[in-house]
Amino acid sequence: SYVLTQPPSVSVAPGKTASISCGGNNIGSKSVHWYQQKPDQAPVPVIFYNNDRPSGIPERFSGSKSGNTATLTISRVEAGDEADYYCQVWDSTSDHVLFGGGTKLTVL
Amino acid sequence: EVQLLESGGGLVQPGGSLRLSCAASGFTFSSYAMGWVRQAPGKGLEWVSAISASGSRTYYADSVKGRFTISRDNSKNTFNVQMDSLTVDDTAVYFCAKDRNHLSRGVFDIWGQGTMVTVSS
Repeated sequence: SYVLTQPPSVSVAPGKTASISCGGNNIGSKSVHWYQQKPDQAPVPVIFYNNDRPSGIPERFSGSKSGNTATLTISRVEAGDEADYYCQVWDSTSDHVLFGGGTKLTVL
Repeated sequence: EVQLLESGGGLVQPGGSLRLSCAASGFTFSSYAMGWVRQAPGKGLEWVSAISASGSRTYYADSVKGRFTISRDNSKNTFNVQMDSLTVDDTAVYFCAKDRNHLSRGVFDIWGQGTMVTVSS
């Protein structure tokens, strides 16, 4: 079955750039979505379809893909960006929605 | 205001059943697929099930297939998941979510606040 692999944690200083990776076989052929989840809250979408920001999401959030890896990039990181981030795809072979294991972003 | 509100969570014994409901408002419910995503305590997100806009297509994670049944009532703007043969591994917060498509593609733009399901003796 299809698997999405994320690093468990990423740390970044305020004002710097954070990059969160999401690896998957042939991920270039899939649309990748990203969600932010803060403690005891529901997930919030931050990127749809690889690099489309939903309304209300700052331009500091962007997505990209290269090879077998998708990346969420957060520029000029703020304390309020500290959260868990999940990548997600639709696997048409199995008709399943798949989430990555999640990455905890810590703002130092 | 676009909103999803879950209900039906609670404590149930292993082997028991529970029915979760999600009430939608603020959008044309019958035009969108809907889904359930769960999160076990301290764990990541896990997709559970989804249903197409018309209700004609249903989708299930392997971990719940044969035990959970998803349904919807477009006249009442609600959808449900009937959970049978529950095990301790089903203990989680269950979120309902709206898809941006009429078929399930997991593009969840609106989420409910979640309802806790605890399976324990």
